[in-house]
This record gives sequence, structure tokens and C-alpha cells, in this order.
Amino acid sequence: DAGITQSPRHKVTETGTPVTLRCHQTENHRYMYWYRQDPGHGLRLIHYSYGVKDTDKGEVSDGYSVSRSKTEDFLLTLESATSSQTSVYFCAISESPPLAGGNQPQHFGDGTRLSIL
Amino acid sequence: QKEVEQNSGPLSVPEGAIASLNCTYSDRGSQSFFWYRQYSGKSPELIMFIYSNGDKEDGRFTAQLNKASQYVSLLIRDSQPSDSATYLCAVKARGGGFKTIFGAGTRLFVKA
Repeated sequence: DAGITQSPRHKVTETGTPVTLRCHQTENHRYMYWYRQDPGHGLRLIHYSYGVKDTDKGEVSDGYSVSRSKTEDFLLTLESATSSQTSVYFCAISESPPLAGGNQPQHFGDGTRLSIL
Repeated sequence: QKEVEQNSGPLSVPEGAIASLNCTYSDRGSQSFFWYRQYSGKSPELIMFIYSNGDKEDGRFTAQLNKASQYVSLLIRDSQPSDSATYLCAVKARGGGFKTIFGAGTRLFVKA
């Protein structure tokens, strides 16, 4: 199994509070991703990183920010949490370089269940 | 139209039967295709990936890709109750960084 650790695994907080989720990898993979998973929507990309200090937005980035100061750590921050951000958050990693012109599959962490009341 | 579409199911098959899961995608330039399995309350785990038209087999699993028709399928032979899970189809388009679009998943139930 890929060495990916997400913390915390569960969190309950109140609307308006800041929240930071951490993803730590031991695989030295270049690419890291944050997804949220909601019923009926599948996995939706929030932000991703293609190197230290190199990040880009995904399809549902509003209300979220990320930082990557080290290869192994990718942080997701909700500056002011809202109830619509209640979800399960998954971190994923993938290798570099891609094989055969395609892309490496992603490996996922165990997820963080976040509830915002 | 969603970029990656899957029938939500549940798809119910008897033990030992072949389960057929289908996925269609809208971006004709898509290059890489992945199938993930996700047990309830767990994270997705990669089962298969396929890049070229045709079939790719790995044990009881076969991925089939038809780029002209823009669909990818997953066949599970000799289905077992332990195969009961949600199966996610994921598609990576050509270019556009390293973004992968996931379908909402198909729930599979294998009856013992």
C-alpha cells in the first residue's frame, strides 16, 4: 500500500471556523491531489500540486486553499468553514514521470470525514 | 452532460456470474482510463488501468476500451460476494495537467 497518511481522520467543527487537513506521503511522489466525495457526485478535484510550491485549482476550489512546502506534505485549508463543505476528503498521490504517454494512476489515503455544524 | 457517466446501480449478480460495469466519457481526446473499487467507508483502490483500444486482462478482471464509441467497461468473472463494492471509472484527458475526472460510481452487489 502507498504510504499516505491523512490527519485528522474525523473532525467536527462549527461554521465560520478555519480547518486544516493534512496529507503526508512517504513515497516521494511529485503529484498530490485533494478530492471531496459526496453522494451522487463521486470524487471531485479541489486542488492539486505538481511540485513543491506548485499548485493549481480543480473543479471545486472555491472556499479552499492549499500549500505544499515540502514534497511529502500537502495541506488543505478551509479558511471559514461552511456547512456545504461537510464531506469526506481524500488525498491522492501519483508518480512522475507518466508511462507510455499516459498518466500514472492515483493512490488514495484513508480519507478525512469532516462535519461542519 | 457529465464528463464521465456511470449507471449508479445497484447492479445485482449471483455469485459466480460475470458482472459488467460500463462507463462513457465525453472528451474524445481522453487518453488514460482507470477503474477503482471502493468498499463502503473506505478509500478507492486501483483495480485496472488501460490506455489502448481493446481488452486488458488481470486475473478475474478485464477492462475494455473503445475510444471510437467513447466507452470503457470492466468485466468481473466468477463474481464473489467480496466483490460487492462501488466501482469508480476515472478518465484522464490529454493535456490539461494531471487532472482526472471520476464518475459517480456503480454499486455492485454479488449475491451468495
